[in-house]
Amino acid sequence: NAGVTQTPKFQVLKTGQSMTLQCAQDMNHNSMYWYRQDPGMGLRLIYYSASEGTTDKGEVPNGYNVSRLNKREFSLRLESAAPSQTSVYFCASSGSSGNTIYFGEGSWLTVV
Amino acid sequence: GEDVEQSLFLSVREGDSSVINCTYTDSSSTYLYWYKQEPGAGLQLLTYIFSNMDMKQDQRLTVLLNKKDKHLSLRIADTQTGDSAIYFCAESFVGAGSYQLTFGKGTKLSVIP
Repeated sequence: NAGVTQTPKFQVLKTGQSMTLQCAQDMNHNSMYWYRQDPGMGLRLIYYSASEGTTDKGEVPNGYNVSRLNKREFSLRLESAAPSQTSVYFCASSGSSGNTIYFGEGSWLTVV
Repeated sequence: GEDVEQSLFLSVREGDSSVINCTYTDSSSTYLYWYKQEPGAGLQLLTYIFSNMDMKQDQRLTVLLNKKDKHLSLRIADTQTGDSAIYFCAESFVGAGSYQLTFGKGTKLSVIP
């Protein structure tokens, strides 16, 4: 009963390095999301995917790219990490009814 | 744009009731949610309410929705130390074929033994 699984849980990057956060859900949900959480800011939407093959920008997309690899998987890529991208990243998914949106456990990313 | 406001801190004694309040701005919200986040953990969906409902009760949790005032509250009866966490209010709206959430900044609930 995994739900939403994201990896890695912790990562330290140097400025300018690239990395990809992986997310997979096993609930057959159509929609998937990437959020970032910063102290005092709540959660902000980076990108989302309404269905396989589609992606759209959220509130804070700059510096990120995403790929909806298939219905299960939605990855977030930082091409050239910056200290401002130090944050906790959450992947989420939801079904078509929208009344249940489930989150992964989070990925703690530090850029030095 | 959409905005969700909630107070940042709440402190209650164990056994008392906690009430966490939230205001939102988007009158077209479909669902409103309460999430719980414990330290170092992800967000746990506690409960949600459909926008045409006034109240929803689920064991120790009661959600009240005043759509006219765009006010949402979460009452936790008989608050326990295990309820200490950050509680996020969120509203959803449909955008480009998916439900998107706008979160408040979270209310940190501290339960005093």
